[in-house]
Amino acid sequence: QKEVEQNSGPLSVPEGAIASLNCTYSDRGSQSFFWYRQYSGKSPELIMFIYSNGDKEDGRFTAQLNKASQYVSLLIRDSQPSDSATYLCATLGDGGYQKVTFGTGTKLQVIP
Amino acid sequence: DTAVSQTPKYLVTQMGNDKSIKCEQNLGHDTMYWYKQDSKKFLKIMFSYNNKELIINETVPNRFSPKSPDKAHLNLHINSLELGDSAVYFCASSQGGLGSRPQHFGDGTRLSIL
Repeated sequence: QKEVEQNSGPLSVPEGAIASLNCTYSDRGSQSFFWYRQYSGKSPELIMFIYSNGDKEDGRFTAQLNKASQYVSLLIRDSQPSDSATYLCATLGDGGYQKVTFGTGTKLQVIP
Repeated sequence: DTAVSQTPKYLVTQMGNDKSIKCEQNLGHDTMYWYKQDSKKFLKIMFSYNNKELIINETVPNRFSPKSPDKAHLNLHINSLELGDSAVYFCASSQGGLGSRPQHFGDGTRLSIL
């Protein structure tokens, strides 16, 4: 069983719509959760970080965390073609050396 | 000025060789990272140093050894290269721990093992 699961997509949404990207994780000890964006052929970019249950908003991005359901999501409001990229979910566990686990990413396509 | 620079950008070598990838950041950040992204685009964090101290040490073969001579540099040395080491290796830095933003990435080093 994969530790961090994401639908690989592609997820296609029309421009201006809300894109909803989902991630589930198996390690209940996970403490923090991250969303990275990666354009094709480019370096990843950390766009969101959340560690408390609930919502965290940053501009058009909202991260949602539900630790009881082991679920974290990323909502992108007013999606733009420039949001087309692969979005990677990652979890940070706890321990002497912090364990970081990535999902395989969801490819998002925003259709003009 | 490049914030996080890695050298070389491309590295083609034969199995069994030893190679190093260098990373330098001029942002004054206290934390640096090495990530590996394989051919299927799966991203994995390998190591993280905070002020020259190792804080993240994922399960990677001990053929991989990071070295941080100072907080602006984090080099990656790989012994006895294997075919499975072929990947893009990204260096990154941030001020503070893993959740700190912005986290600046280098352009990546594409390692190909023949």
